[in-house]
Parts: sequence; C-alpha cells; structure tokens
Amino acid sequence: DTEVTQTPKHLVMGMTNKKSLKCEQHMGHRAMYWYKQKAKKPPELMFVYSYEKLSINESVPSRFSPECPNSSLLNLHLHALQPEDSALYLCASSQRTGNNSPLHFGNGTRLTVT
Amino acid sequence: QKEVEQDPGPLSVPEGAIVSLNCTYSNSAFQYFMWYRQYSRKGPELLMYTYSSGNKEDGRFTAQVDKSSKYISLFIRDSQPSDSATYLCAMSDPSGGYNKLIFGAGTRLAVHP
Repeated sequence: DTEVTQTPKHLVMGMTNKKSLKCEQHMGHRAMYWYKQKAKKPPELMFVYSYEKLSINESVPSRFSPECPNSSLLNLHLHALQPEDSALYLCASSQRTGNNSPLHFGNGTRLTVT
Repeated sequence: QKEVEQDPGPLSVPEGAIVSLNCTYSNSAFQYFMWYRQYSRKGPELLMYTYSSGNKEDGRFTAQVDKSSKYISLFIRDSQPSDSATYLCAMSDPSGGYNKLIFGAGTRLAVHP
C-alpha cells in the first residue's frame, strides 16, 4: 500500500454538484501535488503546494480549487465540472519541491462526471 | 518533438525474459531520472531514482542513464507476470524552480506465463 492515501477511491458526480477529494501523507513531506491522468496518458500537473502555500497553478480552470489545511493534508474542491473532467486524480508528495526529491503518488480518485 | 520520447508498446514477453524499456530526451538540463510502475487502476509507484550516468541496481531491476546520449533504460531480469504494468519514465526539469516532472508516454508491458 502507498504511503499517500486518497479518498474516495471512486466518485461519480453531476455537473451541478460540489464535491471534494482528500489526500493525506504522514511521511513529513513538505511539498504536495495534484495531478490529473486521462486513460493511457501520463499524469499532468495541476497544482503544487510548498510548505502549505500554493506555489504553482498550471492554468487549471477555477472549477478546481485546491486547499492545504496543514502539512499532512491536501484537498481538491470540485464545482460545476464538465464530462471531460472525468479522469484519475492523483495526489503526490515529496520531501520538498527541489528537483532532487522524488514524488510519491497515491492510488488516486477515479472521477466520473455525468 | 516531445521533450521525452518513450515507445508506448505494448510489449509482450514470456515469463523469465529480460525486458528493456527505454526513453530518450532532448533537454540536457534534466538532472534526475525516475522510473515509475503503474498497475491498472492504481497510482504510479516509484521504482528507481537516479542522478548520474551509469547503472543502478535494485533486485531484478537495473536503471541505466547515459547523459551524453540523452538516453535512459530500465532492465527487468527474470520477468514475472506480476511485472505486467505500464512503466513511465520521468525526468526532473530544474528550469521551473520546483520539482517539475516531465513524463514519457508510458510503455505497457505484458509478461505471459
């Protein structure tokens, strides 16, 4: 089992719903990430948090809203999503954001927007 | 041209075979090189993490980096059906000032008994 835990594992939501994805790590890592992965494609970076502050937003639409309540938790709030937003959403963490710190991924939340 | 090229496969081999997975890259600034294994419906799992040119071995897995040729490889010895997965190479790009990973497309591997 991975040391990065994501809940829920599966989520089906309508386009008018509001839902949240949750991620937790207890490795003492100070950088956390959200990635989106479509079928048979590599992960695409969405957001980077460093020491609980948002440091990178890869031009993600505002219907995705990240939040980092503390150094162990990362949330992704979803609102008014589109069917094309259906994907596997992956959380990852690393000791820091320096490029000599490998990422550790969770198993993701498989999101279906109807 | 993509920054990282990886043959998507699928690659099908018999159990016990030696598997070679490869990626080429164009940006000489890439510093760290990783291999991730991703099973169906799971997240990517870090397999190997290297910095310098040369070989790094971990059990049945060997990662090879050749910075002069901009080429990295992952070798799997005595392949098992449990090795069937998608293998993603990834490289860290320091230009963004953060841990920006550039992934290859992923190679699907099937090891049949």
